[in-house]
Amino acid sequence: DTGVSQDPRHKITKRGQNVTFRCDPISEHNRLYWYRQTLGQGPEFLTYFQNEAQLEKSRLLSDRFSAERPKGSFSTLEIQRTEQGDSAMYLCASSYAYDSRDTGGQPQHFGDGTRLSIL
Amino acid sequence: AQKITQTQPGMFVQEKEAVTLDCTYDTSDQSYGLFWYKQPSSGEMIFLIYQGSYDEQNATEGRYSLNFQKARKSANLVISASQLGDSAMYFCAMRGFTSGTYKYIFGTGTRLKVLA
Repeated sequence: DTGVSQDPRHKITKRGQNVTFRCDPISEHNRLYWYRQTLGQGPEFLTYFQNEAQLEKSRLLSDRFSAERPKGSFSTLEIQRTEQGDSAMYLCASSYAYDSRDTGGQPQHFGDGTRLSIL
Repeated sequence: AQKITQTQPGMFVQEKEAVTLDCTYDTSDQSYGLFWYKQPSSGEMIFLIYQGSYDEQNATEGRYSLNFQKARKSANLVISASQLGDSAMYFCAMRGFTSGTYKYIFGTGTRLKVLA
């Protein structure tokens, strides 16, 4: 178990540029989440994948945000035309669901995050 | 709608003492799960403890226990015998299992400082 890996750890970019972050979940985990966390706040849900299917997306997520998990393994989060308000820590988490009923308390395992700073 | 409320922005506790971090929640789901995470200054989120809404007993994991009061919709975290390494942000989170959402909702957190 090598843990959830995120790349890069830090990203500094100019307003208006596009950025892409990568998340490698724990290998046997079929669930993957993206969160955004700003200073002094808890993580805010962005989107959820079960295997390669994106099953839920926050209504707060603008059209500038897109995420993929092409083969049900790693995932990417892209932000187009970045704005000052996009500056935050972007966290990825993964977990394993035993079955579709999923009423268990399988915890999420988080990566160290990607800190995005918009100049 | 689901909501997590953590009313203590900051807490202090003396080393070796016990401390309770408050968490109240609101949900319309009949079945749900409650989680506590620790986030040290280094940034990583560490899972501490889980309580299912239909679990009859309060969850315990080592020095962590969850004081679950379903009627009051509270899920307070109790840390016994505090250690200096417990100084961190603590987040309460919830996920509903019956409303069709996979979303986890987090509170705003409580910053705990353990004093030597």
